[in-house]
Amino acid sequence: GQQVMQIPQYQHVQEGEDFTTYCNSSTTLSNIQWYKQRPGGHPVFLIQLVKSGEVKKQKRLTFQFGEAKKNSSLHITATQTTDVGTYFCAGPHFGNEKLTFGTGTRLTIIP
Amino acid sequence: DVKVTQSSRYLVKRTGEKVFLECVQDMDHENMFWYRQDPGLGLRLIYFSYDVKMKEKGDIPEGYSVSREKKERFSLILESASTNQTSMYLCASSLPPPAANTGELFFGEGSRLTVL
Repeated sequence: GQQVMQIPQYQHVQEGEDFTTYCNSSTTLSNIQWYKQRPGGHPVFLIQLVKSGEVKKQKRLTFQFGEAKKNSSLHITATQTTDVGTYFCAGPHFGNEKLTFGTGTRLTIIP
Repeated sequence: DVKVTQSSRYLVKRTGEKVFLECVQDMDHENMFWYRQDPGLGLRLIYFSYDVKMKEKGDIPEGYSVSREKKERFSLILESASTNQTSMYLCASSLPPPAANTGELFFGEGSRLTVL
């Protein structure tokens, strides 16, 4: 079946350090979305990438979609305490509009 | 702003009970979804619906059913709750997307169900 894996599962960083989470799909994705879930909250949409090799930035966040459209990454520069939460990638598969979510990466910040 | 409202934030039920989880969205979205979230497993799709009275199975439909009698309301039903259905249940809605895109999901606050 469809599988979307994320690594690492957990990441603890000092405030100000960078953070990266990686997402890998077992099959090609037509697009990929990223969501953030704050502790005790619900997932909130961050961004969608559609094109092969696409790179998008939102302030300190940089999102990449792999050339083969099977992997993606989210990089946060100079983390802040407001970045705490779990980051999920999610993607449909060709011919399938259901979103399959990754397992998530929980980011904690050490002040 | 889109609002997705789930009727109960916390529920405690006994094994064998019938459980209804209600979800209402106020933005006229065609698509509605039910996910369950468990530590280390991410969000897993239970059922989804693209239209009134239409439903399709997701990845883990066993032990669940759904009802969509009105466009704004999507209900998840556990006919006979079991302890392995203890979880956080998240409802979401979206608009049908343009080609090559997938609709952004708007999630409710979640319903944490404990089955004893």
